[in-house]
Amino acid sequence: SQQGEEDPQALSIQEGENATMNCSYKTSINNLQWYRQNSGRGLVHLILIRSNEREKHSGRLRVTLDTSKKSSSLLITASRAADTASYFCATARGTSYGKLTFGQGTILTVHP
Amino acid sequence: KAGVTQTPRYLIKTRGQQVTLSCSPISGHRSVSWYQQTPGQGLQFLFEYFSETQRNKGNFPGRFSGRQFSNSRSEMNVSTLELGDSALYLCASSSAGTLGEVAFFGQGTRLTVV
Repeated sequence: SQQGEEDPQALSIQEGENATMNCSYKTSINNLQWYRQNSGRGLVHLILIRSNEREKHSGRLRVTLDTSKKSSSLLITASRAADTASYFCATARGTSYGKLTFGQGTILTVHP
Repeated sequence: KAGVTQTPRYLIKTRGQQVTLSCSPISGHRSVSWYQQTPGQGLQFLFEYFSETQRNKGNFPGRFSGRQFSNSRSEMNVSTLELGDSALYLCASSSAGTLGEVAFFGQGTRLTVV
């Protein structure tokens, strides 16, 4: 079963706008990662945030983590058509070697 | 550095057959994990191998098995295929499979069972 939920399930915006995706999870975690997937292909790692971090930036990406609410958000600023993809959050916990638990994902469509 | 390579990219099999999928990790990575992705269940963890040993296993029936070779390459086998096994199978490699590591994914193998 999935660790949590992602919200919204689908997001449609214009190029240049910001896109915000949210992820909630159910249990305590050690870190949370965000991945992108284009058209049913492989997953590309975007950013990792540890449980003792609250915010992290990478280029046009900003991730926040609120462990008290068991939630995270991914903000993509100044979206481009090339950002069109599915975005997944994934959590790692305990000594669960090699296992990431994924959310259901948000489908982002950026219109040129 | 070459990425994670999965072969074949596409497979069509008949119910009842068996299938073997292959994954070559990034050079130097010793941990390989496998995931199944379907529209209904999303991404689900199958198992993880490190130094030829299975360290972790998801909630899948025994028809799903895997192994890892001394060069860290991994294979996944599904026996007695069912229609519900149609999915995108992804493998991911990392240095040691421990917490805080980034997992690098291959392009996946699209399995269709007819």
